[in-house]
Amino acid sequence: GQNIDQPTEMTATEGAIVQINCTYQTSGFNGLFWYQQHAGEAPTFLSYNVLDGLEEKGRFSSFLSRSKGYSYLLLKELQMKDSASYLCAVSDSNYQLIWGAGTKLIIKP
Amino acid sequence: GAVVSQHPSRVICKSGTSVKIECRSLDFQATTMFWYRQFPKKSLMLMATSNEGSKATYEQGVEKDKFLINHASLTLSTLTVTSAHPEDSSFYICSARGSGDTGELFFGEGSRLTVL
Repeated sequence: GQNIDQPTEMTATEGAIVQINCTYQTSGFNGLFWYQQHAGEAPTFLSYNVLDGLEEKGRFSSFLSRSKGYSYLLLKELQMKDSASYLCAVSDSNYQLIWGAGTKLIIKP
Repeated sequence: GAVVSQHPSRVICKSGTSVKIECRSLDFQATTMFWYRQFPKKSLMLMATSNEGSKATYEQGVEKDKFLINHASLTLSTLTVTSAHPEDSSFYICSARGSGDTGELFFGEGSRLTVL
């Protein structure tokens, strides 16, 4: 079956760095997405990886290893507004998105 | 980036009534839109894929007669929750796939339905 695993919850301190991991097992692979979702709001796009390596975009970076079925989202210089859920999603062979359950990130002052 | 607008953002209705939620792609044509349901502290659950000009494709376990989807134009898809019951209370989100190569999804703002 298809499966996306990510931690349920993480806690980090304002100004610090946090890495949210995502492992996946899917039928085919056409890219991996990270979305941010604040409570009560719709998800917003953060990143897309289809090739191995690190993609950097400001304070956020996303890494992919297709051979390991693994990705991480790295958040630097954490701010209180980064408190949200972070969803990992993989596009399978049919370009359908398989969603992880999300990681709730709690930022403490 | 592409914009998807969803309306209403919040709706409260009585049990037994029907509620329609609209999803519009404002600056691009969306031949395919997706409808999700999200329970508190849970991830998105795909309900159905809405295809312009044809019948929607429903995911297993989603009642077609309960959740009516219409995609009459390239910019509008609607979800109607018929004969709503309290257990239908949830956060409903639509999305449309952008025209770029990444297949990025653009989400509407979401609609919180409360059935009394």
